[in-house]
Amino acid sequence: DAGVIQSPRHEVTEMGQEVTLRCKPISGHDYLFWYRQTMMRGLELLIYFNNNVPIDDSGMPEDRFSAKMPNASFSTLKIQPSEPRDSAVYFCASSPLRGSKGGNTIYFGEGSWLTVV
Amino acid sequence: AQKITQTQPGMFVQEKEAVTLDCTYDTSDPSYGLFWYKQPSSGEMIFLIYQGSYDQQNATEGRYSLNFQKARKSANLVISASQLGDSAMYFCAMREGIDYKLSFGAGTTVTVRA
Repeated sequence: DAGVIQSPRHEVTEMGQEVTLRCKPISGHDYLFWYRQTMMRGLELLIYFNNNVPIDDSGMPEDRFSAKMPNASFSTLKIQPSEPRDSAVYFCASSPLRGSKGGNTIYFGEGSWLTVV
Repeated sequence: AQKITQTQPGMFVQEKEAVTLDCTYDTSDPSYGLFWYKQPSSGEMIFLIYQGSYDQQNATEGRYSLNFQKARKSANLVISASQLGDSAMYFCAMREGIDYKLSFGAGTTVTVRA
């Protein structure tokens, strides 16, 4: 089975440019998460969706960040305009309902490594 | 307040020996789940093991076992018979109540020596 698929794997962009990160969750999973990992702050949740609806976006740093999930098989995280402090690894993850097979696991993609110069 | 605390930033272990990674957590919700993930140098996050707060027995998955001490709010990961491929960062995480999101600790780096 295909896991969580993220693109791009690596991106280097200039400050001020728009960045769009993409995620395809595991088919049948009801929950989708966006996490960010930095040396300073570790792994932090940005936002998560249930059945394409945002449930908790309290971790989204500021208005420059936005996330959408137009359907069950696709989500985007957009940064506009990007800044050097946005440099991080961005993980997408998905999970089925608790009580279902694999319901006690959150499956992570391989991450998108973003560098803003 | 920190929900997950991992006090060991780095550890060295000899190949074939066991290693215990510490994790303490803080929650007032009686229903919660505890997770361990492995992050090798390649960067991916690999799920290792899960323990529910109502589970009567400690979770085990192959060479991984979770030493769950509820009264102490402790969920230590034990890796038995360490292998060179176990060298990685290990994260403890918690999910509380009906929420689905995970809160992560700062991680512990394990280096296995031949």
